[in-house]
Amino acid sequence: EAGVAQSPRYKIIEKRQSVAFWCNPISGHATLYWYQQILGQGPKLLIQFQNNGVVDDSQLPKDRFSAERLKGVDSTLKIQPAKLEDSAVYLCASSRTSGGGETQYFGPGTRLLVL
Amino acid sequence: AQSVTQPDIHITVSEGASLELRCNYSYGATPYLFWYVQSPGQGLQLLLKYFSGDTLVQGIKGFEAEFKRSQSSFNLRKPSVHWSDAAEYFCAVGAQGNKLVFGAGTILRVKS
Repeated sequence: EAGVAQSPRYKIIEKRQSVAFWCNPISGHATLYWYQQILGQGPKLLIQFQNNGVVDDSQLPKDRFSAERLKGVDSTLKIQPAKLEDSAVYLCASSRTSGGGETQYFGPGTRLLVL
Repeated sequence: AQSVTQPDIHITVSEGASLELRCNYSYGATPYLFWYVQSPGQGLQLLLKYFSGDTLVQGIKGFEAEFKRSQSSFNLRKPSVHWSDAAEYFCAVGAQGNKLVFGAGTILRVKS
């Protein structure tokens, strides 16, 4: 079974530029998550999708971050414009359902550096 | 609100020695608890999880964890550490909708 795929693996941009990350979850997984992991901290949930609908985006900075999962499969996370504090690893995860205790499987992450 | 505390930022153990990583959580109901490991440049891999039943949970790579409700703890243990166990370890609690709330992590260094 293929794991969660993410691209690109690394990205360097200047502040105020825009950037997009892509995630392809495990086949058949209905729930998809985007986490932000700042250096020295644990991952923090940005947004959660159930199929193509948003379940939780309470911690997504909506003035600059957006995400979509149009066909309920792969997903894109965008930052526009980027700030220095957006430098982090962006992790995508998926699970079969959003039921309690369901295992989340993580991709390798995209490491973003904003200069 | 849910929260997880991992008191130790770094731990160094000798190869072959035993290991215990501490985790304390705050959650109103019966928690779902997880331990993940992250090697440099890699995503997170699930070691084990607790959601009900036996409070001693066995995981992969020889790890185990014990859920203690009275202490709000879910400490990770391994009887004999290998050099390949050097990584960062995250404890997490599963909140509503299966959202994970992570601790800040503990970096494990293994001395040969």
